[in-house]
Amino acid sequence: SQQGEEDPQALSIQEGENATMNCSYKTSINNLQWYRQNSGRGLVHLILIRSNEREKHSGRLRVTLDTSKKSSSLLITASRAADTASYFCATDAILTGGGNKLTFGTGTQLKVEL
Amino acid sequence: DVKVTQSSRYLVKRTGEKVFLECVQDMDHENMFWYRQDPGLGLRLIYFSYDVKMKEKGDIPEGYSVSREKKERFSLILESASTNQTSMYLCASSPRFRGEQYFGPGTRLTVT
Repeated sequence: SQQGEEDPQALSIQEGENATMNCSYKTSINNLQWYRQNSGRGLVHLILIRSNEREKHSGRLRVTLDTSKKSSSLLITASRAADTASYFCATDAILTGGGNKLTFGTGTQLKVEL
Repeated sequence: DVKVTQSSRYLVKRTGEKVFLECVQDMDHENMFWYRQDPGLGLRLIYFSYDVKMKEKGDIPEGYSVSREKKERFSLILESASTNQTSMYLCASSPRFRGEQYFGPGTRLTVT
């Protein structure tokens, strides 16, 4: 099964509203990352939060991490139609040679309507 | 600007054909990855490489092989394509000790 599981699977909101997506995982992590994927395209890295961090901000994005509950949330504030995409969390394992091997969840499909 | 390119956006092949998917990155990254993405299953790691001529199996390597002769290029090979390999294939790269990965636009492969 996937290391990361996102919730909800799909989310539809109005422009200007906030969108919250959650991710749960099973094993200890080094860091947790969030990615966005526009329809039929590659993934774009949004934000990385390390296991010793509890909250991180980047523009309209806010990520929290609770390692005791093995969960993370991504909040997008003041959403725009351009935020319509799939969002994935990814947990990592350190590779022998350096770098990180990511395990992705199945994603949350966000639709922001005008 | 960071760039990962993949040789084709769309590809249609017949069952039994040998298929090559090429990925090139211009960021001098040590690590490169191949994933496949299927509805309801998310992204699954096929193979990765953390150095030239080095390769490691991911979670679903069966039916695939890879080649990394140069640092910037990582090829995925389907030795004998089958219909269950119809999927979106995504290549990614990352610096050696940094977590975030940079993805190419993907190749949607259909095997008939």
